[in-house]
Amino acid sequence: DSGVTQTPKHLITATGQRVTLRCSPRSGDLSVYWYQQSLDQGLQFLIQYYNGEERAKGNILERFSAQQFPDLHSELNLSSLELGDSALYFCASSVGGGNKDTQYFGPGTRLTVL
Amino acid sequence: GQQLNQSPQSMFIQEGEDVSMNCTSSSIFNTWLWYKQDPGEGPVLLIALYKAGELTSNGRLTAQFGITRKDSFLNISASIPSDVGIYFCAGQGGTYKYIFGTGTRLKVLA
Repeated sequence: DSGVTQTPKHLITATGQRVTLRCSPRSGDLSVYWYQQSLDQGLQFLIQYYNGEERAKGNILERFSAQQFPDLHSELNLSSLELGDSALYFCASSVGGGNKDTQYFGPGTRLTVL
Repeated sequence: GQQLNQSPQSMFIQEGEDVSMNCTSSSIFNTWLWYKQDPGEGPVLLIALYKAGELTSNGRLTAQFGITRKDSFLNISASIPSDVGIYFCAGQGGTYKYIFGTGTRLKVLA
């Protein structure tokens, strides 16, 4: 158990809908990272937040957005969902937000868009 | 998106054999991480490397930070069936984000 929690574990929805994925980092960690993993693919970095502020951005679509709240939990919002958005979405957390920070991953949310 | 080159892509080995896999990049990295992922689960951190030339062990696992800072290696000694899974490397350079390798799928035959 990494100490990172994600909800829900599974999510099934229809095209065009909007969903929110939630992540709680490890106690004491200030950074949260979001990744997308499609079937049999590697991890694609989406976005990082550090202490409530956006720190780095990866290949995140404009239909996707995220935020980190004062209690440091984070939410990833996916809107106008398409079939290709079906994937595992992972959250990771680290103590700081800079170089040499080790990331610990949550169990993931499996999103299925029908 | 940008990814590291990880090899081999997959491997089948006999229980008890040693395993080697590596990651290479065209960019210099300051940190290398190695993860193992079981199907449907999140990646679990195995080893973290912070300095060029560093050699670190975690049980039967040993990883090295390449001296050129563009590669890293993971070795598993005396493999057992529970070693099966996907192994990912991740490198961090001058930016905050990590870049992940494409993964090595390991299958161990009892």
